[in-house]
Amino acid sequence: NAGVTQTPKFQVLKTGQSMTLQCAQDMNHEYMSWYRQDPGMGLRLIHYSVGAGITDQGEVPNGYNVSRSTTEDFPLRLLSAAPSQTSVYFCASSYSGGMGQPQHFGDGTRLSIL
Amino acid sequence: GEDVEQSLFLSVREGDSSVINCTYTDSSSTYLYWYKQEPGAGLQLLTYIFSNMDMKQDQRLTVLLNKKDKHLSLRIADTQTGDSAIYFCAEIYGGATNKLIFGTGTLLAVQP
Repeated sequence: NAGVTQTPKFQVLKTGQSMTLQCAQDMNHEYMSWYRQDPGMGLRLIHYSVGAGITDQGEVPNGYNVSRSTTEDFPLRLLSAAPSQTSVYFCASSYSGGMGQPQHFGDGTRLSIL
Repeated sequence: GEDVEQSLFLSVREGDSSVINCTYTDSSSTYLYWYKQEPGAGLQLLTYIFSNMDMKQDQRLTVLLNKKDKHLSLRIADTQTGDSAIYFCAEIYGGATNKLIFGTGTLLAVQP
């Protein structure tokens, strides 16, 4: 049981490049989400999904796309990377989207945009 | 909008108690959480408290909730060097969902 797996762990991109951050969970969780962590700002919600085929925007969705074709996977796409997207990205999942469900986090992807 | 605030840094000696504080703004929050982040790792859920509770104790951890002042605290008894980490408080926002808004995090440094 691997929990929440994020790949890659580190990535350096040039401005304008595209990239997909992968997130997979093997706990049959319905709810998945993406956060970014920046110094002094805590974690901010980018996008979330309450089940396969359903996604919605969080606090800071601009510049990011998501899709949820399976229960297990929730990739985050940067279509045209910008230096402001340099951050640590965390994927999380919970059994459902109901209030209070404990969220399980991956170890993060550290992304630098030059 | 919603905002969750924490002090940035706390230093304690090994064996002492640590108290990490948090203030939140959404009085309708039903769940409040404490997460721990060790260097290079993701966030680990430590404990949570439901809004109809004033206190919750779990081994060395005690959570106190003051709804009137919108103040949440985490007390760690007998703090150990392994407790050194960043601690985040978080609240539910956006109604009946599992969306979380996080505080800025408090770096706890435990001196031997």
